[in-house]
Amino acid sequence: EVQLVESGGGLVQPGRSLRLSCTASRFTFGDYAMSWVRQAPGKGLEWVGLIRSKTYGGTTEYAASVIGRFNISRDDSKSIAYLQMNSLKTEDTAVYYCTKGGLPIDYWGQGTLVTVSS
Amino acid sequence: QSVLTQPPSVSAAPGQKVTISCSGSSSNIGSNYVSWYQQLPGTAPKLLIYDNNKRPSGIPDRFSGSKSGTSATLGITGLQTGDEADYYCGTWDISLSAVVFGGGTKLTVL
Repeated sequence: EVQLVESGGGLVQPGRSLRLSCTASRFTFGDYAMSWVRQAPGKGLEWVGLIRSKTYGGTTEYAASVIGRFNISRDDSKSIAYLQMNSLKTEDTAVYYCTKGGLPIDYWGQGTLVTVSS
Repeated sequence: QSVLTQPPSVSAAPGQKVTISCSGSSSNIGSNYVSWYQQLPGTAPKLLIYDNNKRPSGIPDRFSGSKSGTSATLGITGLQTGDEADYYCGTWDISLSAVVFGGGTKLTVL
């Protein structure tokens, strides 16, 4: 069974940065796009962005709400996807899920909570 | 305000059938496949339906999906208390170059 394990969440002050990691296993990581989806407390799902596989150029797409602040990267040799979050705002507070695939998203990690507060 | 529109809640009795709608536009549902996700309380979402009407391995045939024009529908028959969850539709929006989700529908099995 595919495994996705997020790490790096926690409490951070507004304006600061945080990097999340997603360690994947039990599938050929380099063959798939990887996405990040977040869910604010008590709210619905919000797509953050994705990174395509190297076969498709390794290019990225982002939600309008995070463009210019967030960056997704990947290390295929380690089967890890990253979400670098800069200039964090209080409205970025959410559980961040690492997911396999662009669409459909066929596997989700358990999520890591990011709280942006002073 | 979500790009895709879902009813906030639906309810039905055990054993009954329920449908959840997802309305979009020509730039999203009208031109791309729709997938559906189930999120049980306190857990991560799970893929329920992909490519409008396909079920991943392990998803019972009580769950079905359909699409017509710019709308999609999730159907659940033989409702069980374990189906109580939030359900989300999702697709790609070519105008936004982004994945878009519906606001979610809370299913209550009375």
